[in-house]
Parts: sequence; structure tokens; C-alpha cells
Amino acid sequence: AQKVTQAQTEISVVEKEDVTLDCVYETRDTTYYLFWYKQPPSGELVFLIRRNSFDEQNEISGRYSWNFQKSTSSFNFTITASQVVDSAVYFCALSPYAQGAQKLVFGQGTRLTINP
Amino acid sequence: DSGVTQTPKHLITATGQRVTLRCSPRSGDLSVYWYQQSLDQGLQFLIHYYNGEERAKGNILERFSAQQFPDLHSELNLSSLELGDSALYFCASSVGPSGAWGIQYFGAGTRLSVL
Repeated sequence: AQKVTQAQTEISVVEKEDVTLDCVYETRDTTYYLFWYKQPPSGELVFLIRRNSFDEQNEISGRYSWNFQKSTSSFNFTITASQVVDSAVYFCALSPYAQGAQKLVFGQGTRLTINP
Repeated sequence: DSGVTQTPKHLITATGQRVTLRCSPRSGDLSVYWYQQSLDQGLQFLIHYYNGEERAKGNILERFSAQQFPDLHSELNLSSLELGDSALYFCASSVGPSGAWGIQYFGAGTRLSVL
């Protein structure tokens, strides 16, 4: 069975601070995908990034960066110089590779509040 | 805008009733997924269709059913509704069934309130 744990239920920081959201996953699959989604107050789920299990390179996109470490089964997300618009619930998700079928297993989410 | 359209945005109904939630995937996407988001269960996968064929089932109740039509839109039918069915229901779509073609893009959701 697959499981995703986001131990931080809520995080509150002041604007311009850096913040890291933790994600730890469990799977027996050797091939899988990891994702981060953002859910702003408006409610929709916005795709941020996908990583496959063979690609452990860190990724940077503007103020966002992701650190994938297979050895610790973690896929952490860092926001640099946070802004109020980053306030949202962030979900980490795991997709086991299954031929012809796919589902996302989500963590419980981390509510991030950026205060001005 | 993800390109995935869900209607209606809000639905208020009574216990015991039946409702239908509709989803139009992004142009070119053949896969449709349904998820339920509730306070106690979080985001849970319900069901996956690819080009009209059911591909995977999650924790979907027997009172719930779904289908994907030839024009690729999908409907989720919820019957004999209970208070606990109140939740945000998301539809997502992707190009293919899995793997490299599997980035799921989500609609804005349908918020169901059962009174």
C-alpha cells in the first residue's frame, strides 16, 4: 500500500521568510511518481511539479524548489522569499506506476499562511 | 484555468436524494478521474476512466457510480445521499492512462451539501 505523510498541519510565517514543506512517502513500487499540488483559498487544485522515481535531481522554478531524496523517501518543497499570494494548502501526492491505470494518493496537506 | 470544467459549482440537496456531477476534460485528454475531498478523509481517489473504459476503482461507495461517454465527458452519480457525503468532489483529466502521460489537471470542483 502507498502512503504520504505531511507532518506539518499548519505553518505560519512572515512575508519574505523561506519556508519548507515536508513530505514523506511509503511505497513498495520501484517506479512511481511524486507530485505537489497547491489549493488556494478559491478551492481549485493547481499542479506544481511531477518527479519520477528515477530522477533525483533537485528542481528550481523561480522561488520554488524541490528536494527529492529516495534514501529517506522524502520530497520536500521550499518557497524562498515567501509572498502573501503563496498562502494556500499544499498537497504532496504519490502515484504508483500501474500499467493502464493511475491514481493519486494524497497527503493530508499543509496549510501555509504568509502574513504581511 | 486548467481547462477541466465541472458543473455545477455548488449543489444543495436532502438526504436520500440522487445527484449527478458532470465533468468535461481538457481538450485531447482521454482519462478522467474523480476524487472526494472531505474534512475527515482528506482527498480520496474514487474512480478512473480511460477512453470510456473503467480502469481503476478506489474507495467508491456502492451508492456512487460513474461513467465516461463517447464524447469523453464524465458523470458521477451519487444516490441515497447521506449527511456524510457532503464534500468537495473533484474531477481531473490527463492525456493518457498512466505513467509519462499521467499529469492530472483538476477542475474547480463541485461542492455538495447534503442537508
